[in-house]
Amino acid sequence: EAQVTQNPRYLITVTGKKLTVTCSQNMNHEYMSWYRQDPGLGLRQIYYSMNVEVTDKGDVPEGYKVSRKEKRNFPLILESPSPNQTSLYFCASSLGGRELFFGEGSRLTVL
Amino acid sequence: DAKTTQPTSMDCAEGRAANLPCNHSTISGNEYVYWYRQIHSQGPQYIIHGLKNNETNEMASLIITEDRKSSTLILPHATLRDTAVYYCIVRVRNNNDMRFGAGTRLTVKP
Repeated sequence: EAQVTQNPRYLITVTGKKLTVTCSQNMNHEYMSWYRQDPGLGLRQIYYSMNVEVTDKGDVPEGYKVSRKEKRNFPLILESPSPNQTSLYFCASSLGGRELFFGEGSRLTVL
Repeated sequence: DAKTTQPTSMDCAEGRAANLPCNHSTISGNEYVYWYRQIHSQGPQYIIHGLKNNETNEMASLIITEDRKSSTLILPHATLRDTAVYYCIVRVRNNNDMRFGAGTRLTVKP
């Protein structure tokens, strides 16, 4: 089944403790992206990647890092999480600018 | 990419057609209209897209006005499971930059 898989789905952590949210897709898509969703602010793009080893900042990249060493994986790294990064995170992928496929989301709470 | 304007919320009776409008008066000639929906806090789901002709698939129909300044997403027989936030987005087809606005919260009522 074609899908975008995110892990963990739920995470509670403390300020400053590094964490990684993984994202994997099995559709051989070149493009992958991370969004965060907050009440009243909608979906905002954090980082995106057009292909392996190619990443770019989205609208809200501060406090986040990404890497794209393989086509299928696009992890989101929070080196030193802060409470303002408490949010619902979505990973998405697409092929050649066509429709986006989204993961089920990762709800992160930073205390 | 052109901006879109959608109503904040709408209600629809179960079994009736749900017509969701979207204004995109500054749309460019090479920009497509895309529709996604998000059920509760799940990942957004692609519904349909079009350039200038009306489109239909198993989920919905998309009607684009002749001047392309507005469009309507039609769910022909809305069910309770269609309750969701619906996003209208316009973008160039091969541009991966997908910007989501606030969308329309559709509530289907029994």
